[in-house]
Amino acid sequence: AQSVSQHNHHVILSEAASLELGCNYSYGGTVNLFWYVQYPGQHLQLLLKYFSGDPLVKGIKGFEAEFIKSKFSFNLRKPSVQWSDTAEYFCAVNANFGNEKLTFGTGTRLTIIP
Amino acid sequence: GAGVSQSPSNKVTEKGKDVELRCDPISGHTALYWYRQSLGQGLEFLIYFQGNSAPDKSGLPSDRFSAERTGGSVSTLTIQRTQQEDSAVYLCASSLFGASGREETQYFGPGTRLLVL
Repeated sequence: AQSVSQHNHHVILSEAASLELGCNYSYGGTVNLFWYVQYPGQHLQLLLKYFSGDPLVKGIKGFEAEFIKSKFSFNLRKPSVQWSDTAEYFCAVNANFGNEKLTFGTGTRLTIIP
Repeated sequence: GAGVSQSPSNKVTEKGKDVELRCDPISGHTALYWYRQSLGQGLEFLIYFQGNSAPDKSGLPSDRFSAERTGGSVSTLTIQRTQQEDSAVYLCASSLFGASGREETQYFGPGTRLLVL
């Protein structure tokens, strides 16, 4: 069975600080990897995704993530955060052999202090 | 609309009553998923539809939960004899094909917030 770990439950940063949110997954086969974001009062939105190819993927709003297969990791990064990045961030995986159900991490709440 | 829509947005019910939650996927999307987001359990998969059939129901927590999809479009999640532990946000997602080997993204609706008193 797949599992996803997000070790940071709540991260508090000042504006312009750099961000890295950890995501590790457990699965024996090939996976697709996703980061979703949920802004306050809004629904889940896709931030970025990795299916294959270049392990460094860029998403919306200046976010990027790097897939490191040897570490089973897909950490999310942003060089300079803004107050508007305050949200909850979810890492998710599914198996790459079909349009499989997503397995989510528990989420990381990010608070940006102006 | 262009996105996944769900209704109602909020539902308050009494313990023991039945509830129906509706999902309208993105037009043309053949795959539809139900998830549940609750404080204690995070985001959990419930059921997956490919067209009108449900090849994966493994996430339904009990036989009080059922879902159907008609016309390859709208889906209804029904919870019978609701319990307080059913309180959660029920999310629906859809994707284009749901076929093996395709690289697809699931798009989520706004959810239905269910409160069982």
